[in-house]
Amino acid sequence: DTAVSQTPKYLVTQMGNDKSIKCEQNLGHDTMYWYKQDSKKFLKIMFSYNNKELIINETVPNRFSPKSPDKAHLNLHINSLELGDSAVYFCASSYRQTGGEVQFFGPGTRLTVL
Amino acid sequence: SQQGEEDPQALSIQEGENATMNCSYKTSINNLQWYRQNSGRGLVHLILIRSNEREKHSGRLRVTLDTSKKSSSLLITASRAADTASYFCATAINTGGFKTIFGAGTRLFVKA
Repeated sequence: DTAVSQTPKYLVTQMGNDKSIKCEQNLGHDTMYWYKQDSKKFLKIMFSYNNKELIINETVPNRFSPKSPDKAHLNLHINSLELGDSAVYFCASSYRQTGGEVQFFGPGTRLTVL
Repeated sequence: SQQGEEDPQALSIQEGENATMNCSYKTSINNLQWYRQNSGRGLVHLILIRSNEREKHSGRLRVTLDTSKKSSSLLITASRAADTASYFCATAINTGGFKTIFGAGTRLFVKA
């Protein structure tokens, strides 16, 4: 019954590999996001999708490719992984309440690139 | 540089005391939100305050917003050990679509 779920929770891989992280939300929200949280806990938006369409792409290297097969899913594929990609990646979805979008976050995927 | 910056970076208090965290931002906003993150978990939304509001309450939380100073504060009253977490402010700006920008967070430690 988790609202926003991500798999895997941990991912350890070698430099140069390609990996994917999956995200699903069962809240019926139209908008989904990917964030990267670095070791200093700074949370930076990477992508935002609304009804399967890309609306925000924050100067992320094109090694990162999001895919939204439907509005409940937003997956993140990363090619040619680099050491600097090590971080915690959070998926989120949002709904609009009076005044703004409220976001619901997944539990995070801790990616370690060796 | 970041849109939102929290102050202090870390705060340690005794249970029962009040905790105040501040957030400053740079550009005009539509709203400001506070989120909480427990260690190893995702962020959880606490409260949203619109740009035309000055104060908002939710349980033991009190948020103020001063758009003239581009700052907000989060007050947690009668803190509990379970309040130990990182607290982030997030500002929503209109860039064609709304974008939410998070600060680096304040790490709050409440000692029992």
